[in-house]
Amino acid sequence: EDQVTQSPEALRLQEGESSSLNCSYTVSGLRGLFWYRQDPGKGPEFLFTLYSAGEEKEKERLKATLTKKESFLHITAPKPEDSATYLCAVQVYSGGSNYKLTFGKGTLLTVNP
Amino acid sequence: GAGVSQSPSNKVTEKGKDVELRCDPISGHTALYWYRQSLGQGLEFLIYFQGNSAPDKSGLPSDRFSAERTGGSVSTLTIQRTQQEDSAVYLCASSAGGSGNTIYFGEGSWLTVV
Repeated sequence: EDQVTQSPEALRLQEGESSSLNCSYTVSGLRGLFWYRQDPGKGPEFLFTLYSAGEEKEKERLKATLTKKESFLHITAPKPEDSATYLCAVQVYSGGSNYKLTFGKGTLLTVNP
Repeated sequence: GAGVSQSPSNKVTEKGKDVELRCDPISGHTALYWYRQSLGQGLEFLIYFQGNSAPDKSGLPSDRFSAERTGGSVSTLTIQRTQQEDSAVYLCASSAGGSGNTIYFGEGSWLTVV
C-alpha cells in the first residue's frame, strides 16, 4: 500500500528562521511527487512537481528536493505570509489509464513576525 | 474556464437528504479527481476519471457515494441519505491526464450535515 508521511505535523518559526519540511514515501513506481500549499478555507495551490531522485526546484523562498525515499521542502528566510499547510502527494500508476494521487496529512507552518 | 470551478461553495443539509456537488474542470483537461478533506485531516481520495476509461472508484467510502462525468467534462458527486460523518470539504481537481502533469484544485464545496 502506498504511504506518504509528512513531518513535523506543525512547525512554528520566527520570521527569517530557515527550516525544512519532510515528506517520506513508500510507493511502487513513483511517477511524480507534488508539493502544494493550502491556506485556510481554500483549495490546495500547486507549488512543484519532482520526477526523479536528485531533482531540485525553486520558487522564491522555497526549494524542493527529492531522493528515492523522501522529499524536502526547504524554506529560506520565511515571512509571515508563508504561513500555511504544506501538502505532499505522490502519483503512481494504478492500472488502465489511471494515475492515483495519494496525499500526506500535511505540515502546518506558522511564521511569526 | 481559467480554473477548476466547484459549486455550491457551501451546502448545509439535513441528515438523510441527498446532495449533489458539481465540478467544472479546466477546459481540455481529461483527468478529474474528487477528494474529501475532513476537519484537521489529510485529503482522502474518492474517485478518478480519465477520458473515456472506466473510473477508479476505489476510494468511495460507501454505496451512498457515486459520481459521474458527462461528456468528458463536468462531473457530479452525489451523496445519498447523508450522515453527519459526511460533513467535510469536497475538493475537485483536474489535469491534462497521464503521468506527472500538474493537477489543479478547485476551492472546494463545504458540506455540513445537521
